[in-house]
Amino acid sequence: ETGVTQTPRHLVMGMTNKKSLKCEQHLGHNAMYWYKQSAKKPLELMFVYSLEERVENNSVPSRFSPECPNSSHLFLHLHTLQPEDSALYLCASSQEKGTGANVLTFGAGSRLTVL
Amino acid sequence: GQNIDQPTEMTATEGAIVQINCTYQTSGFNGLFWYQQHAGEAPTFLSYNVLDGLEEKGRFSSFLSRSKGYSYLLLKELQMKDSASYLCAVMDSNYQLIWGAGTKLIIKP
Repeated sequence: ETGVTQTPRHLVMGMTNKKSLKCEQHLGHNAMYWYKQSAKKPLELMFVYSLEERVENNSVPSRFSPECPNSSHLFLHLHTLQPEDSALYLCASSQEKGTGANVLTFGAGSRLTVL
Repeated sequence: GQNIDQPTEMTATEGAIVQINCTYQTSGFNGLFWYQQHAGEAPTFLSYNVLDGLEEKGRFSSFLSRSKGYSYLLLKELQMKDSASYLCAVMDSNYQLIWGAGTKLIIKP
């Protein structure tokens, strides 16, 4: 496989469940990102990892917990979510963070529905 | 605050030309990006402008005016497959990407 792969593509969970989203990139990139995409709203940056270190955490509620075990894999652990957390969660990677022409390669997203 | 404005939705006819505008107010500027996102798919990179002027890539062109805080994406010879959302994003002085809400482009035969 090439590019950025996200699993699962669709997830329905109750507010008391615990689940995880997985992202894998095969591009040799050093930076990985989690974004939240809600209808008719701008992409919201949640977390950034650069060389496996978390470099940004944009005031995201603690019910979202990221993990980056190596430069190719990124997880988003979910627990006790709220219905307003229902959205498309996009993973992206880039060669590095903090440069001008920093082109992101996105995965197709995980569509999350919280009941 | 920082913000990016682009139209929510546009409609155009197959074979025609459409221009999608993006205006921005950001703390500094390190480039402007356009991405295309088909429904249910990943956003994909279209263009990057950091200097004023027009960049052409086949049927797609992107224009930037830094003094006006303005960009547009021009799509020529529209095809049905161009139906998608087009996302404008600006990189600010801290190399943070500020995103617009996207423009949904509907192509009619």
